[in-house]
Amino acid sequence: AQKITQTQPGMFVQEKEAVTLDCTYDTSDPSYGLFWYKQPSSGEMIFLIYQGSYDQQNATEGRYSLNFQKARKSANLVISASQLGDSAMYFCAMREGEVNTGNQFYFGTGTSLTVIP
Amino acid sequence: KAGVTQTPRYLIKTRGQQVTLSCSPISGHRSVSWYQQTPGQGLQFLFEYFSETQRNKGNFPGRFSGRQFSNSRSEMNVSTLELGDSALYLCASSPGLAGGPYEQYFGPGTRLTVT
Repeated sequence: AQKITQTQPGMFVQEKEAVTLDCTYDTSDPSYGLFWYKQPSSGEMIFLIYQGSYDQQNATEGRYSLNFQKARKSANLVISASQLGDSAMYFCAMREGEVNTGNQFYFGTGTSLTVIP
Repeated sequence: KAGVTQTPRYLIKTRGQQVTLSCSPISGHRSVSWYQQTPGQGLQFLFEYFSETQRNKGNFPGRFSGRQFSNSRSEMNVSTLELGDSALYLCASSPGLAGGPYEQYFGPGTRLTVT
């Protein structure tokens, strides 16, 4: 089974609108971390937001928020007020287990977001 | 703070050759992970080093190896290159300690082309 599933290969959003990128994960470990990264056409991976499995509140970072639904094992990224510079590939990732036992990350296949002027 | 740096940025090699890629993590970060990114397979974890020890390993053949030095800089080596090794190789660093922060910061990658 896939550890991280992103079911939207491509998404379009109008500039200034909000968009939700879906991510579901699969783990039986009670301790894990969920991440979203952005990869522009330049290739560099840019960290956006983190949610720990024990965190009670949904994470927010500026225009990014993570809609964490633990029982459904989903960690959707919400981008508010989309900008043209948000056009990129977006990857959901999971660190399974405690940090000090190793940092293996599992990445989804990504969602290509295009912001339309 | 300077970010993660990777050298070289681009590399062209011939089948059968070997290659060494280098990664310098963010100052103070002790964990360095390596990933292979290809259009077909996406991002795949190769291995992670922490304080000069390999702490975790992905499912890659033994031709892929790495090491970490006392200053946390890491190298990745691929021997007997195959055409399928053509990929973007990404290095990521993090503090690697319990208690966080947990996010990995990525370098710009090395684009390896095997002909």
